[in-house]
Amino acid sequence: AQSVTQPDIHITVSEGASLELRCNYSYGATPYLFWYVQSPGQGLQLLLKYFSGDTLVQGIKGFEAEFKRSQSSFNPRKPSVHWSDAAEYFCAVGASGSQGNLIFGKGTKLSVKP
Amino acid sequence: DADVTQTPRNRITKTGKRIMLECSQTKGHDRMYWYRQDPGLGLRLIYYSFDVKDINKGEISDGYSVSRQAQAKFSLSLESAIPNQTALYFCATSDPERRQGNTGELFFGEGSRLTVL
Repeated sequence: AQSVTQPDIHITVSEGASLELRCNYSYGATPYLFWYVQSPGQGLQLLLKYFSGDTLVQGIKGFEAEFKRSQSSFNPRKPSVHWSDAAEYFCAVGASGSQGNLIFGKGTKLSVKP
Repeated sequence: DADVTQTPRNRITKTGKRIMLECSQTKGHDRMYWYRQDPGLGLRLIYYSFDVKDINKGEISDGYSVSRQAQAKFSLSLESAIPNQTALYFCATSDPERRQGNTGELFFGEGSRLTVL
């Protein structure tokens, strides 16, 4: 069965430092992998997604991620974090079959130090 | 205007009251969802609907009901609200077809914060 686990509940990085968010995915034959970002008081916005094709994906807010099938990973990276990146980040996996529902991780809250 | 609109955005109510959260969308999507977000628990699926005549329970449907009044409208009801239903509720939509390039991405509303006293 599909599942996701976010190992980091809270991350604090200094502004200008690099960032990598982590998620452990379990998926079926075809991965439908997502990252969403939720800024304080806001709804969820798609950060990145991977379905097929080029394994290096460019997202919003300067994030990119590489799908690595051997590691079941799709971790967003950003070389230099900005204060506006402070938010909560959720990974999600698409469920198999015709339902198309997403299963979400519990979230990683990112704080950015000046 | 937002593609997925939720009303109300904030609501405070008392235990035992009936509450309805409404969602409307202009994306033309057939599939609509209600999720609940609690701190440290992520998003959990309450109900989902693939079309007007198709309603399905999600992971945590107890204490909730839904109505799909039209393709564009999906309402969530709490018949008798209790304090542990205090949460942030999200409506979402998706395109039904998993065509090439369409991954079943969810499009979210801005959320409805419900407080039950």
